[in-house]
Amino acid sequence: KNQVEQSPQSLIILEGKNCTLQCNYTVSPFSNLRWYKQDTGRGPVSLTIMTFSENTKSNGRYTATLDADTKQSSLHITASQLSDSASYICVVSANTGFQKLVFGTGTRLLVSP
Amino acid sequence: KAGVTQTPRYLIKTRGQQVTLSCSPISGHRSVSWYQQTPGQGLQFLFEYFSETQRNKGNFPGRFSGRQFSNSRSEMNVSTLELGDSALYLCASRLLQGGTEAFFGQGTRLTVV
Repeated sequence: KNQVEQSPQSLIILEGKNCTLQCNYTVSPFSNLRWYKQDTGRGPVSLTIMTFSENTKSNGRYTATLDADTKQSSLHITASQLSDSASYICVVSANTGFQKLVFGTGTRLLVSP
Repeated sequence: KAGVTQTPRYLIKTRGQQVTLSCSPISGHRSVSWYQQTPGQGLQFLFEYFSETQRNKGNFPGRFSGRQFSNSRSEMNVSTLELGDSALYLCASRLLQGGTEAFFGQGTRLTVV
C-alpha cells in the first residue's frame, strides 16, 4: 500500500535553532518527493522537489535529502525563524500514468522566541 | 499570473444542507484535485479531474461529488451535510496529466453547525 509517514508529529524549537523533519515512504513506483510548507489557514506551498537521482537540494535555509534505497527523506531547517512556524508536508508522487500524489500527515513546527 | 482561486473562503451551513465550493485553476492547468483537511488528519484526497473527467477518487461517501467544466474550473458538492464535514477544503491544480507540482488555493473553511 502506498503510504507516507512523517515524524515527529509536532515539534517546538527556539528561534535560531536547527531542526530536522523526517519522511518515510512506501510509494512505488517512485517518481519524486516534494516538501510543502503550509501556514495556518492557507494552502500548502512547495519548498523543494527531489527526484530519484538527487541526494540533496537546498532552498535558502531549507535543505532536503533523499535516500531512495531506504525510502527516506529529511527536511533540515537552519537558523529557524518565527516565520518557519507552520506544518511541513511530505508528498510523494507515484510514477503511474497519472502521477498519483500520496500525502504525509505533516509535522507541525512551532518556533518559539 | 493568477494562482488557484477558491470561493467562498468561509462558509457556515447547518446539518442536512448541501454546499457547493468552487475552484478556478491556474490558467492553462487542466488537472484539478480536491482535498479535505481536518486537524490531525492531514490532507485527505477527494477526487481529481482532468479534461472534465474524474480520473481518480478517494474513499469518501457518495455525498461528496464534483465536476469540471470545459474551462477547467471545478466545483465540489457535498449533500446532506454532517458535523464531521467541517474542514478546510483545498483545491490544487496541475499543469498536465502527469504534472507533479500541485499548486494549492487558499482553501474554503466550511463549518457545519
